[in-house]
Amino acid sequence: GAVVSQHPSRVICKSGTSVKIECRSLDFQATTMFWYRQFPKQSLMLMATSNEGSKATYEQGVEKDKFLINHASLTLSTLTVTSAHPEDSSFYICSTSDPRRTDTQYFGPGTRLTVL
Amino acid sequence: GENVEQHPSTLSVQEGDSAVIKCTYSDSASNYFPWYKQELGKRPQLIIDIRSNVGEKKDQRIAVTLNKTAKHFSLHITETQPEDSAVYFCAASIKDSGYALNFGKGTSLLVTP
Repeated sequence: GAVVSQHPSRVICKSGTSVKIECRSLDFQATTMFWYRQFPKQSLMLMATSNEGSKATYEQGVEKDKFLINHASLTLSTLTVTSAHPEDSSFYICSTSDPRRTDTQYFGPGTRLTVL
Repeated sequence: GENVEQHPSTLSVQEGDSAVIKCTYSDSASNYFPWYKQELGKRPQLIIDIRSNVGEKKDQRIAVTLNKTAKHFSLHITETQPEDSAVYFCAASIKDSGYALNFGKGTSLLVTP
């Protein structure tokens, strides 16, 4: 099956700093990647859709200036949490779909962000 | 936008019994309905999925049914085992969103020996 990697798997940072999370599609070229956020004991919530070569599409309530998404290549999308605060502490997971079967989503292993 | 409701939020069954989790969705354009199992701190694992042109699908102890008219779909796990204990999420994908997924709130399943 498709493999999606994320880096780092875990990060702890101080309030006010920025954190970059990478999502890589290892098996195929991904023109679209999705970023989700999951708070403890809650469901996954779609944050934004990352499109290769164009601007990301953000869901309602997600600040585009705070969560910067870059999808500069067909295998890499990055999410940068700028000026992180404790309320940004969450599990961030990316996913992508195989262009040959666009509905099946393949999830990355997730990144646990803790902001002190 | 799409709204996915999932019930129950918690479910406790004895080993060997069946477990049923139900979801409803609001957008009639949804055409792909996956179910995920998530263990603590891990990524969601796809356990079964169904597409809108099919009413039922089975994979060993796991089955999913879809009623497009009523906009609901269900997960059935038979002969449950303690290792089935986890959080289960239903989801519905929306074509116009590039096949992003809208998740239900999850069901915490506990299978007791």
